[in-house]
Amino acid sequence: KNEVEQSPQNLTAQEGEFITINCSYSVGISALHWLQQHPGGGIVSLFMLSSGKKKHGRLIATINIQEKHSSLHITASHPRDSAVYICAVIREYGNKLVFGAGTILRVKS
Amino acid sequence: GAGVSQSPRYKVAKRGQDVALRCDPISGHVSLFWYQQALGQGPEFLTYFQNEAQLDKSGLPSDRFFAERPEGSVSTLKIQRTQQEDSAVYLCASSWALLGGYEQYFGPGTRLTVT
Repeated sequence: KNEVEQSPQNLTAQEGEFITINCSYSVGISALHWLQQHPGGGIVSLFMLSSGKKKHGRLIATINIQEKHSSLHITASHPRDSAVYICAVIREYGNKLVFGAGTILRVKS
Repeated sequence: GAGVSQSPRYKVAKRGQDVALRCDPISGHVSLFWYQQALGQGPEFLTYFQNEAQLDKSGLPSDRFFAERPEGSVSTLKIQRTQQEDSAVYLCASSWALLGGYEQYFGPGTRLTVT
């Protein structure tokens, strides 16, 4: 079993819809990252969380340390949000990222 | 630019050839990571440098993979006698921090295709 599991693997939404991507992990962590990867492009860090909730524009990320679960929400989705969204954790006392398999998001206009 | 850069962006190698992939981290970043991303999968850790010291190479898949960062800045990932299963995107990331829990900045990646 992977240490980091994401769901869903694929997600298609209509423009304007509220989107949620989930991430569960099985190890103790010092931080959790949400990353965005466009086709052919590099990876961009969206959020780094160790507790609570963060918001940036239309993106919201939450984490529940006790339940070992995090969610990434996109409000008022837009076709330019189409990308792969990756959850990654840093194990306690470690520094390398352990990645989920990613969620492929397609937002249709 | 001020970001992480990687070269080449694309590399096609014939099976058995040696390749060298370069990473220029953000100036002053002490931590440097190499990750391998196979098609349709999430990245996987290869190796980690703190300045010039390679502190973790547990993710290197075989002894054909070798990485160095001799002066604590630019890093090179070398793959000897490439095999088809080495085809992947190789990502480099850097961080100013020595410990985890801090943001890593990623380069655009090098897409390696072994034919």
